[in-house]
This record gives sequence, structure tokens and C-alpha cells, in this order.
Amino acid sequence: ETGVTQSPTHLIKTRGQQVTLRCSSQSGHNTVSWYQQALGQGPQFIFQYYREEENGRGNFPPRFSGLQFPNYSSELNVNALELDDSALYLCASSLGAGRSGTEAFFGQGTRLTVV
Amino acid sequence: QKEVEQDPGPLSVPEGAIVSLNCTYSNSAFQYFMWYRQYSRKGPELLMYTYSSGNKEDGRFTAQVDKSSKYISLFIRDSQPSDSATYLCAMSGGSSASKIIFGSGTRLSIRP
Repeated sequence: ETGVTQSPTHLIKTRGQQVTLRCSSQSGHNTVSWYQQALGQGPQFIFQYYREEENGRGNFPPRFSGLQFPNYSSELNVNALELDDSALYLCASSLGAGRSGTEAFFGQGTRLTVV
Repeated sequence: QKEVEQDPGPLSVPEGAIVSLNCTYSNSAFQYFMWYRQYSRKGPELLMYTYSSGNKEDGRFTAQVDKSSKYISLFIRDSQPSDSATYLCAMSGGSSASKIIFGSGTRLSIRP
């Protein structure tokens, strides 16, 4: 098991609602990345936070936003939920932006269902 | 065209067989090449990574990268039922340094 923890593990929301997902990074890691994994697909990069600043963003609309806190934990916020937002949301922590490929450790994910 | 292509399978082999999993990619700027294993309802677990071209071995697992052909492979020797999972190839580097680009994953089943 890695030291990356995500909460909640599952949740169900109604279309149009807003949701906040949380991630605690592995001890010593200062970079957090968020990914969306639809059923049967590989994870898709949403964005990365390095020392509390956004450091790269994938092809996701502005209603996907995030924060990183001084202790390097992070939140992913999604507004105006759509049915297609139903997916497994993964948080990955690493040491240093740009090294995300070699030392990225994933949490167990939050399974979001939008009805 | 996707940046990373991976056969989704499913792939079913008998216990003890050698398994070969492969991916192709289009972005020549990729420098880091990874293989992740993902069990059902779990997050991806990093199995192996390779920087640039070459081979890397770790126990029953061998990763190969051929940058000239833009082709990477993962070999599993003496496969076990516990190896049954989805295997994701992944890459990063160049303008994609801050993010990992994943293949769609190959579902592997090892029959006892």
C-alpha cells in the first residue's frame, strides 16, 4: 500500500451538483496530480499541483478546479456535474514536478457516480 | 490518433506461460516509460519504469523500450494467477513532463 489516501472512496451525486474530492500525498512528496479514469479506459490527466501552484492541465473544462494546501494535500472540485463525469478519480503524488513519471504513487481512487 | 496505443485484450493464458504485453506511441519526446498494474477497484501500482531505450529486469518482469520503433513491451515469466489484472503502459517527458500519458490497459487473466 502507498501512503496516498483519498476520500471518500465512493459517492453518488445528482447531475448539476458540485463535488469535492480529497487527497493526502505521500510523506515528503510536494506534487499532486489528478486523473480521471472512465470504465475500461486508462487514466486521463486532469491537472497537477506543485508547491500550491497549478503546474500543467489536461483537456478538461474549467468546471474542474483544484487546490493544494501548505501540507501538500489537495482537493479536486467539480461543478455542474454531468453524467459523463462518472468515473474513478485518482490522485498521484510525487517528489518534484517533472519527475511525475518515475516516482508517481497512486491512491485507491474515489469512485464518483452521477445520476 | 491516440498518443499511446495498447491492445485492450482480454488476454488469457495458462499458469506458467510467458506473457508479452505491448504498446506503441507517437510522441518521440517521451523519455520515461512505465508499466502499472491495476487490480479491480484499486489504484494503479507502479511495476517498472525505464528511462530512454533499453531493457530492465525485476524478478519475473522484464521491460523493454525501443525508441527507434516507438514500441515498448512488458514480459512476465512463470505467470501466476495473482498476476491477473489490468496492465497499463504509460509515458512522460518533453512537453508532457508534468503528466503521465496512459494506454487504455490490457486485461490479463492467468488460468490455474
